[in-house]
Amino acid sequence: SYVLTQPPSVSVAPGQTARITCGGNNIGSKSVHWYQQKPGQAPVLVVYNDSDRPSGIPERFSGSNSGNTATLTISRVEAGDEADYYCQVWDSSSDHVVFGGGTKLTVL
Amino acid sequence: EVQLVESGEGLVQPGGSLRLSCAASGFTFSDHYMDWVRQAPGKGLEWVGRTRNKANSYTTEYAASVKGRFTISRDDSKNSLYLQMNSLKTEDTAVYYCARVGSIFGVVMNYMDVWGKGTTVTVSS
Repeated sequence: SYVLTQPPSVSVAPGQTARITCGGNNIGSKSVHWYQQKPGQAPVLVVYNDSDRPSGIPERFSGSNSGNTATLTISRVEAGDEADYYCQVWDSSSDHVVFGGGTKLTVL
Repeated sequence: EVQLVESGEGLVQPGGSLRLSCAASGFTFSDHYMDWVRQAPGKGLEWVGRTRNKANSYTTEYAASVKGRFTISRDDSKNSLYLQMNSLKTEDTAVYYCARVGSIFGVVMNYMDVWGKGTTVTVSS
């Protein structure tokens, strides 16, 4: 089955740029989606199809995908961005949704 | 307002059964694929399964961890999604979310763009 690998944690100072990676075999050939989950809340879609943003999501959130790594980039990080972030793809070989293990973003 | 509301929370003994429901509003439920996703305490998101829409024969897919024990169904006339859980195990303890699968101009995009707040299932003796 397809596996997505995320770093368990990323730390960044306010105002800096956070980059959260999602590794998978030839992930560049798939569409990657990203979710933000704050404690006690449901996940929220922040980036879909590698780099598109749903309405209401700040332009500070962006995504890229190439080769074996997809990246969620959060520019000008704010305290309110502190959350867990999950990448997700559709594995067409198994007809299954696959989530990464999640990355906890800490704003120092 | 587009909304999903889960219900059916409960405490059940190992080996028992429970049925979760998800009420949809604010969008054309029958057009969409729908997913169930769960999250065990302190753990990450785990996809449970999917039901496709009528145009795709309401076919279903399940994660290996629940296949044969869980059944996803829907009633488009009631704008409702269901998860029947049988032969429950302690490792099924989790918050269960229903989620709408996104689409653009009718093309399924395989991301989840609307989520419910979740309902808690505890399997314990």
